[in-house]
Formats: sequence, C-alpha cells, structure tokens
Amino acid sequence: RKEVEQDPGPFNVPEGATVAFNCTYSNSASQSFFWYRQDCRKEPKLLMSVYSSGNEDGRFTAQLNRASQYISLLIRDSKLSDSATYLCVVSWKGYSTLTFGKGTMLLVSP
Amino acid sequence: EPEVTQTPSHQVTQMGQEVILRCVPISNHLYFYWYRQILGQKVEFLVSFYNNEISEKSEIFDDQFSVERPDGSNFTLKIRSTKLEDSAMYFCASSVLSPELPTGELFFGEGSRLTVL
Repeated sequence: RKEVEQDPGPFNVPEGATVAFNCTYSNSASQSFFWYRQDCRKEPKLLMSVYSSGNEDGRFTAQLNRASQYISLLIRDSKLSDSATYLCVVSWKGYSTLTFGKGTMLLVSP
Repeated sequence: EPEVTQTPSHQVTQMGQEVILRCVPISNHLYFYWYRQILGQKVEFLVSFYNNEISEKSEIFDDQFSVERPDGSNFTLKIRSTKLEDSAMYFCASSVLSPELPTGELFFGEGSRLTVL
C-alpha cells in the first residue's frame, strides 16, 4: 500500500500566525518526501524537499520522522499569499512516481 | 524559466469520442508523467515514461489510455473512448532525475481540463 494521509483543513489563521501541518504515510519503503503547494485550479508546485535531518527555507521548516512515518511543515509569520493547499508527497523505493496526499487547505486572513 | 506546456487548456468532448492531450516537457528532462485531478479530489498518478517506454502505470491507466512521444519534444496522452468519469484536469510533468531522489522535483504544466458530456 502506498498511501499518504493529510488533514484536509481548512486551517484558518490570521496574518503573522504560525501554523503546522502533519502528514502520515503508509509504507516504510518510502524514499523521498516533498511538500508541494497548489493554488486553486492551478498546477502543483514544489515548495520544498524534506530531508532526514529536517530543513528550513525562510519561513518554512520541514521535518521527517521515519520511525513514526510522518512529515511536518511549519509556516512562520503567515502571509496572505500563503493561502493555498499544501500537498504532502512521497516517493517509494523502486518506483519512479510520486504519491500525493489530498492536501491541507490554508486560509490566511488579514 | 523553462516550463512544461500543455495544450489544449480546456477541451469539451462527447462521451465515446477520442481525445489527445499534448505536452511539451522541459527540454533536458528525462522522465515524463501524466497525472489527473478530478475536481475536489487528490492528484492521481496515471503513467510515467522513461527511455521511450512506459516505466509505470496505475490502475486508472487501462486499455483506453495510451501515451506516445512521437518526436523529441512532444509527449501525448490519448483517451480512446472517453467516459463521463474521465472529466478531470490532466497534468503533464517532467523531471531531470527520478523522483526516488530528494532532488527529483517534478515540474508540472498548467493542465488540460477535460469535460466529457
């Protein structure tokens, strides 16, 4: 089974807030992990890859917990432009495909 | 910035008709994909293509579907006899490296919206 689960939200937060999303995946034969962002009726775009040691890109921090099979994304100092759906994405050993979660919707309000 | 381009952006067709969706992947990319997204649902994998052949396909990608790379630039998805449930946004994507690698980022086109009546 290759499944990726996310809380669909929506998460409603004010500008400047910190928000965190979690994602769980089903199979320990997972290989690589990503967070993609999708705006309404647009294509997914890579936000960041998730590395074993955790990684940060500006206001965004991604962490991986292989033992518990989950990935997290933390957004600090939320901006209105962060409003989007955040897709947790996993690749699996031996497969040249990505499996997408349903996504978590974030709405940042003024 | 190089990008994946898809045509048409929107196609309306009658049930039972054949549809061809076209994609031009980024020129130095080696892996090509079709995904689809039914409205309100998740992005679903259809097929991956590498070295001029299908490397993987999902259960969705049945005998009604086929892919071709007829020349060095285009990558097409054909649906032989469309059904109502084929209505979705179809995304083409390409990557330089296999997505098994953390650097195997997929670049998506803007999508082709297919409406089957």
